[in-house]
Amino acid sequence: QKEVEQNSGPLSVPEGAIASLNCTYSDRGSQSFFWYRQYSGKSPELIMFIYSNGDKEDGRFTAQLNKASQYVSLLIRDSQPSDSATYLCAVNREGAQKLVFGQGTRLTINP
Amino acid sequence: SAVISQKPSRDICQRGTSLTIQCQVDSQVTMMFWYRQQPGQSLTLIATANQGSEATYESGFVIDKFPISRPNLTFSTLTVSNMSPEDSSIYLCSVAPLGQGVQETQYFGPGTRLLVL
Repeated sequence: QKEVEQNSGPLSVPEGAIASLNCTYSDRGSQSFFWYRQYSGKSPELIMFIYSNGDKEDGRFTAQLNKASQYVSLLIRDSQPSDSATYLCAVNREGAQKLVFGQGTRLTINP
Repeated sequence: SAVISQKPSRDICQRGTSLTIQCQVDSQVTMMFWYRQQPGQSLTLIATANQGSEATYESGFVIDKFPISRPNLTFSTLTVSNMSPEDSSIYLCSVAPLGQGVQETQYFGPGTRLLVL
């Protein structure tokens, strides 16, 4: 079992709809959870981080964390073509000063 | 957020040679990390560069192949030694700013695209 798992996609969503990206992790001691966006040919860009159960909202983005289910998600409301990218979930393990990345989900927003 | 630059941005190298990649940050940072991203793949951590001490390498990565320097709180280098075509990849520097553990923020440089022939 991989430490951090994501559906590689591609996930196709119509413009204006909600895109839902999911991530599961295996280490129950994981403390912090990150979502990065990576455009083709570019480096990852931090979108959000979350470390408490529940929802965290930032503009059109909402991160959701459920530690009991070892599940973290990212919702993108009012999806735009510019949101088309690969979204990487990353997890910080307890006691470790480093991140473990999932394989990423490729998202395409169709006009 | 920290502004990070990497040099070179890309290079084409012959097998058996070595390449040193530089990472410069515009502010002091506690942690610096080096990642590799092979084509179509996610990020794999190579090592954590600690100022004033030896780098900490991940399983599958060794100092002889990927020597790292961290002379101060704003600069680090990664050398890819005795290169083979399998080393063709994007190499990324990442930082966690001073006073903020990795739990809060980690920023990436623009990357170095390496092709080994």
